[in-house]
Amino acid sequence: AQSVTQLGSHVSVSEGALVLLRCNYSSSVPPYLFWYVQYPNQGLQLLLKYTSAATLVKGINGFEAEFKKSETSFHLTKPSAHMSDAAEYFCAVSVKTGANNLFFGTGTRLTVIP
Amino acid sequence: ETGVTQSPTHLIKTRGQQVTLRCSSQSGHNTVSWYQQALGQGPQFIFQYYREEENGRGNFPPRFSGLQFPNYSSELNVNALELDDSALYLCASSPGGTSGTYEQYFGPGTRLTVT
Repeated sequence: AQSVTQLGSHVSVSEGALVLLRCNYSSSVPPYLFWYVQYPNQGLQLLLKYTSAATLVKGINGFEAEFKKSETSFHLTKPSAHMSDAAEYFCAVSVKTGANNLFFGTGTRLTVIP
Repeated sequence: ETGVTQSPTHLIKTRGQQVTLRCSSQSGHNTVSWYQQALGQGPQFIFQYYREEENGRGNFPPRFSGLQFPNYSSELNVNALELDDSALYLCASSPGGTSGTYEQYFGPGTRLTVT
């Protein structure tokens, strides 16, 4: 079975500060991992994905994440927060066999303080 | 290239009624998945359709059913609506089969309110 835990339902950072959103996963088989962003009243937009290639993954809008198998983590980072980064962020896991459905965490709401 | 579209945007129904939500997949995508996102929660997988066949189902009762058409568009039907069915329903399409490598592209969702 697959699952995702996102630590911290709310994270606040100052504009220009480091963004760190935490995600730990559980999977009985090698996982695929994803970060999605959701702006108010919108669907989900893919930020980045890990599919067993490079462990450091770069995504859109300056975000990146590192897959650490030993820690079962896939934390999302951005060196310098921008006001437009304020949104809800979801970590998700999928597996290589069967239906490629996503298992999502409960989300982290990022607030950027000017 | 047209993205994933969903209709209607918003819907209000009464408990016990039936509802049909529609999704048009992104061009070239043959796999459609449906998710339910309750307020303040992450999306939960309902089911997936691949080439018009159901290809996996989450922990949802049989009153949640679906269809995929030859053009790969899809419908989600919910019978005997309950108050807890109030949620944002998201459709996602992906380009190729069930390998798990393909990211899913989400539509804007349909907000269903059951009163």
